[in-house]
Amino acid sequence: EAGVTQFPSHSVIEKGQTVTLRCDPISGHDNLYWYRRVMGKEIKFLLHFVKESKQDESGMPNNRFLAERTGGTYSTLKVQPAELEDSGVYFCASSQNMNTEAFFGQGTRLTVV
Amino acid sequence: AQRVTQPEKLLSVFKGAPVELKCNYSYSGSPELFWYVQYSRQRLQLLLRHISRESIKGFTADLNKGETSFHLKKPFAQEEDSAMYYCALSAFGGYNKLIFGAGTRLAVHP
Repeated sequence: EAGVTQFPSHSVIEKGQTVTLRCDPISGHDNLYWYRRVMGKEIKFLLHFVKESKQDESGMPNNRFLAERTGGTYSTLKVQPAELEDSGVYFCASSQNMNTEAFFGQGTRLTVV
Repeated sequence: AQRVTQPEKLLSVFKGAPVELKCNYSYSGSPELFWYVQYSRQRLQLLLRHISRESIKGFTADLNKGETSFHLKKPFAQEEDSAMYYCALSAFGGYNKLIFGAGTRLAVHP
């Protein structure tokens, strides 16, 4: 069974540019979570989808971040325009329901220069 | 505010030595706590969930509500235990909205 897959694995962009990160959850997992770890800090929750609906987006840092999950399958996280402080590792996780194990992707390392 | 504290950034031990990775939390309700591990070049994976009360790869963790701690222990460290360990708390139960500590890197030397 394929695990949670994230694309790209690395991205280097200039300040002011736009970047879109993608997450493909495990098939059949209704719950999808985005987290990020900025340099030297904790892994922090960004948002939670149940199917295509945003269940909780309280962790989204500001309106430069837009997450979508059209059709309830894969999800995208767009940063527009990117700032230096957005650099970090963005993780996606999925679970069948909120009480079953959440499996993480390998992460996308974003570097904004 | 809900918070998870892992006071040690790095814990360095020799093979066969006991290991204790510290985790303290602050939470006003009944917490659900987890330990996640990330081995080199691998993804973050669940090691323990406190309600399961299991021992995985020789590791155990006991929730101490009086001390608000959930320390991870192993009596005899192995080199393959070298990894980054994260303690996490669930604010709403289950795996929803995990609050992570900063992580402790465990280095087990031969």
